[in-house]
Amino acid sequence: QQPVQSPQAVILREGEDAVINCSSSKALYSVHWYRQKHGEAPVFLMILLKGGEQKGHDKISASFNEKKQQSSLYLTASQLSYSGTYFCGTESLKTSYDKVIFGPGTSLSVIP
Amino acid sequence: DGGITQSPKYLFRKEGQNVTLSCEQNLNHDAMYWYRQDPGQGLRLIYYSQIVNDFQKGDIAEGYSVSREKKESFPLTVTSAQKNPTAFYLCATLGGISYNEQFFGPGTRLTVL
Repeated sequence: QQPVQSPQAVILREGEDAVINCSSSKALYSVHWYRQKHGEAPVFLMILLKGGEQKGHDKISASFNEKKQQSSLYLTASQLSYSGTYFCGTESLKTSYDKVIFGPGTSLSVIP
Repeated sequence: DGGITQSPKYLFRKEGQNVTLSCEQNLNHDAMYWYRQDPGQGLRLIYYSQIVNDFQKGDIAEGYSVSREKKESFPLTVTSAQKNPTAFYLCATLGGISYNEQFFGPGTRLTVL
């Protein structure tokens, strides 16, 4: 029941764009996105709720297609500080609320 | 400052010993979580608790136990039944403006020798 993330890893040059995808086999209530730097705790980026919304945070935005049970994280004009591992976390409609299950992560490296 | 405290940061134990990892929060959040992180496998849910004196198993609860006697505290015991306990353990709470943002503690890296 763990969500699937793609790609597993991506290397970008500063200023390039990237898309990270997250998909689930279960009907979803929400999708969370987090970034983790090496050796540190994950940090919350944003959450998207059922209703197909899109959100933005600086040059990072995300969309949620509840019919397809998919979410995508968009990083535009990447900066060196964007490097890290990105995790999506999902809450399913058929489990109790507040149970967040994380994907395996996507490693993003931004190079000068 | 509000936050989540996990102690210790690094912990070493001999095989066959039980060990308890501490998690304390002063965010006044009801829900608390324990995740295990192994390289390349993301975060896997061990246990979570939505209110005091109640908790539910996550996906990998075998070999672990928890208690939730106080709102602020959610300790995790790694028992000798856990076959491969060496990992990075993260405690989290659920809160924020819309009550749906997870806040993570700094983690405890457990090594069983």
